[in-house]
Amino acid sequence: IAGITQAPTSQILAAGRRMTLRCTQDMRHNAMYWYRQDLGLGLRLIHYSNTAGTTGKGEVPDGYSVSRANTDDFPLTLASAVPSQTSVYFCASSDRAVSTDTQYFGPGTRLTVL
Amino acid sequence: KNEVEQSPQNLTAQEGEFITINCSYSVGISALHWLQQHPGGGIVSLFMLSSGKKKHGRLIATINIQEKHSSLHITASHPRDSAVYTCAVRSTYADGLTFGKGTHLIIQP
Repeated sequence: IAGITQAPTSQILAAGRRMTLRCTQDMRHNAMYWYRQDLGLGLRLIHYSNTAGTTGKGEVPDGYSVSRANTDDFPLTLASAVPSQTSVYFCASSDRAVSTDTQYFGPGTRLTVL
Repeated sequence: KNEVEQSPQNLTAQEGEFITINCSYSVGISALHWLQQHPGGGIVSLFMLSSGKKKHGRLIATINIQEKHSSLHITASHPRDSAVYTCAVRSTYADGLTFGKGTHLIIQP
């Protein structure tokens, strides 16, 4: 693994189903983020984690949950998917110990909820 | 009112033209980022600014903290510069980034 990866690449999901989007980074970054990207709205923060064991809510957290059991992984779970959660989801990470705090983005997961 | 406003939303230009994309924000920030996303592609961080000016190849980013304004310039634009450019800020009171809606740039040969 080099950088940050996401799985699956795309998924079609029936409404009401549970879904977990996976995100893994190998850069030992402390901070990780989940964003969703929607046409006309741009990118919006769903949840974040500043360090393993801690999480926080972003701008649009409703219907989503996250966990951060270790430094590398930051899964995003939709407990009961709804059509409004159709979006492209990007995971990102940054090393908050570094002053530049550049965020590195994963390739994205395209989710369609029918 | 959005915390981060970009202009223009769409921009079509001819190859070789000098391009400027503007970003204004209304909150206190610790850093401002410029991101690039090619059609169907991933998101790449171009610059992170907290003051002054940065240059990378044909790309230049500037920020005026007092005026809460940043610009991204592309010199000698090329069709491969066609992408969505997004400004994002890390505010002093929130984690993660707050994004503008992006500028869709098309450079025609």
